[in-house]
Amino acid sequence: DTAVSQTPKYLVTQMGNDKSIKCEQNLGHDTMYWYKQDSKKFLKIMFSYNNKELIINETVPNRFSPKSPDKAHLNLHINSLELGDSAVYFCASSPPSGGAEGTGELFFGEGSRLTVL
Amino acid sequence: AQSVTQPDIHITVSEGASLELRCNYSYGATPYLFWYVQSPGQGLQLLLKYFSGDTLVQGIKGFEAEFKRSQSSFNLRKPSVHWSDAAEYFCAVGFNFGNEKLTFGTGTRLTIIP
Repeated sequence: DTAVSQTPKYLVTQMGNDKSIKCEQNLGHDTMYWYKQDSKKFLKIMFSYNNKELIINETVPNRFSPKSPDKAHLNLHINSLELGDSAVYFCASSPPSGGAEGTGELFFGEGSRLTVL
Repeated sequence: AQSVTQPDIHITVSEGASLELRCNYSYGATPYLFWYVQSPGQGLQLLLKYFSGDTLVQGIKGFEAEFKRSQSSFNLRKPSVHWSDAAEYFCAVGFNFGNEKLTFGTGTRLTIIP
């Protein structure tokens, strides 16, 4: 029973194409994130949504557009893919801070490896 | 801006030996500190975290970490490693508890030899 699930796990595509990665969490968390992990394993936050509202939007090209139809889903759409977009993209979620569940812990999906040729 | 440094890119230890992975942070106040582990092909799993209080924190899988304010460090330790501990380890810093924006270090890859 996967807590944070991403699809697809692997994605190989040509430059210039448009692709989407989907993420769903069944933990009841309010906040979801997209992180990018490059070839050197460096992890950097891209976006954060809290209850469908955009909270964090780091310096990411506007070819990347997140969409949160409800608080359990956060999808990532990428237009006009470039070679440099090749990476592993991680979705994560976290419980509300300050409450009994608030721990600061992120719960990660298994990642989606995107390869742009 | 806050930053996290993991000075060791790759560490190799023998099974049964002790382990210490280093983590230093740069931030004006005491941040929230985390260690995550990433097994090959997997997402990240939380090992332990420090928010306040006792500076020695215990985590899962027999790991512990000690927060040292004077050294701005949060080193991860394990007294005796197992082959299954081979993985990538990430230290992370959080400063805005409202949205859990974590800044990650560059990771330390741990190899275990028999």
